[in-house]
Amino acid sequence: NAGVTQTPKFRILKIGQSMTLQCTQDMNHNYMYWYRQDPGMGLKLIYYSVGAGITDKGEVPNGYNVSRSTTEDFPLRLELAAPSQTSVYFCASSSTGVGMNTEAFFGQGTRLTVV
Amino acid sequence: AQSVTQPDIHITVSEGASLELRCNYSYGATPYLFWYVQSPGQGLQLLLKYFSGDTLVQGIKGFEAEFKRSQSSFNLRKPSVHWSDAAEYFCAVGTPPGAGSYQLTFGKGTKLSVIP
Repeated sequence: NAGVTQTPKFRILKIGQSMTLQCTQDMNHNYMYWYRQDPGMGLKLIYYSVGAGITDKGEVPNGYNVSRSTTEDFPLRLELAAPSQTSVYFCASSSTGVGMNTEAFFGQGTRLTVV
Repeated sequence: AQSVTQPDIHITVSEGASLELRCNYSYGATPYLFWYVQSPGQGLQLLLKYFSGDTLVQGIKGFEAEFKRSQSSFNLRKPSVHWSDAAEYFCAVGTPPGAGSYQLTFGKGTKLSVIP
């Protein structure tokens, strides 16, 4: 029972480089989310998706892009990495909207450092 | 917009002692409230949630939380803490259907340390 799987677990990027954080879930959830976690700041929503082909911005979307071509996968793309994007990134999924009476399932996170 | 305040950044308790973690929320209607726990190096796991009904909710690992509308609070409690409870705890408020959004707003977290 894999749940939500994120790769890679760690990554160091140079300023200006780009990369894709991968997220896949095997629970057939329609809703998927990307959060970033900075020390002492809690989690902030970057993007979310309510189903394949449908995505929308969260609280902090600048510098990121997403796509949702399948129910299972929800990759997060960083273009032109900046030091401000140094953070821990979490992917999550839920059967219905995460703010409703449901549980969000989180991946183990990707720790990204931009130098 | 909704918001969540966790007044305590770091709490240290002795093993076997009782625990209460505070959470205050700001939301115009009846909120959906959650407590998540994050063990070191791990993702978040749901401890419990409040949707409606009984204001005292039971969760996993022996945790409970009480919703108090008059105080806009949803404090997490455990009668006897175990060393394995050392983690970071996040309170969150959700957006009910029809509000045009599907997201959780998290507090900044409370880190719990347990002294053996």
